Amino acid sequence: GAGVSQSPSNKVTEKGKDVELRCDPISGHTALYWYRQSLGQGLEFLIYFQGNSAPDKSGLPSDRFSAERTGGSVSTLTIQRTQQEDSAVYLCASSMTAGSSPVREQYFGPGTRLTVT
Amino acid sequence: QKEVEQNSGPLSVPEGAIASLNCTYSDRGSQSFFWYRQYSGKSPELIMSIYSNGDKEDGRFTAQLNKASQYVSLLIRDSQPSDSATYLCAVGPLRNDYKLSFGAGTTVTVRA
Repeated sequence: GAGVSQSPSNKVTEKGKDVELRCDPISGHTALYWYRQSLGQGLEFLIYFQGNSAPDKSGLPSDRFSAERTGGSVSTLTIQRTQQEDSAVYLCASSMTAGSSPVREQYFGPGTRLTVT
Repeated sequence: QKEVEQNSGPLSVPEGAIASLNCTYSDRGSQSFFWYRQYSGKSPELIMSIYSNGDKEDGRFTAQLNKASQYVSLLIRDSQPSDSATYLCAVGPLRNDYKLSFGAGTTVTVRA
């Protein structure tokens, strides 16, 4: 079946502009995650959704970052007033849920490479 | 101390040899452990998951877990040039185990 999809695959934006990144999880997966991968920082957790709610936003780097999920499916990560340090690959992952807990295996999408100039 | 540490690479092995990758973690209560493969310019791909002490084999891959030593490893047997990639170790902590902590990765190069 189809995997996690993300769009756009690449985004170049000017410092100070807002950007929206989109993630469409694997069909039937109710848990969704955003990560960021940058040189020197590795892969870092940003936010986790269970259905449409985000019980854990602890990884969001600043209040310029926000995310939402609607219909228990597509999620959007928004970065306002982008800064050069926001340049990274933003990865989305999804997993199934068993009961109230996500099943542990997370599957990643292809990522969005964000470059802030 | 980093939460997840991997042996520094790059690791170069001849085709057909065994590649051995190591990972240690700091959260003693961690319950879930994963190996992801990441080709250059691509996203991580899940190749192994392990939850109990001992070995788990899947094709040419074997994951080994020792919770007492807080150590997890990945063996790649009969290494192929297509195995050349960066391998990421990920650990799910005791609390909020969805919140994976990733190691920095070990880059493996298989020489033909």
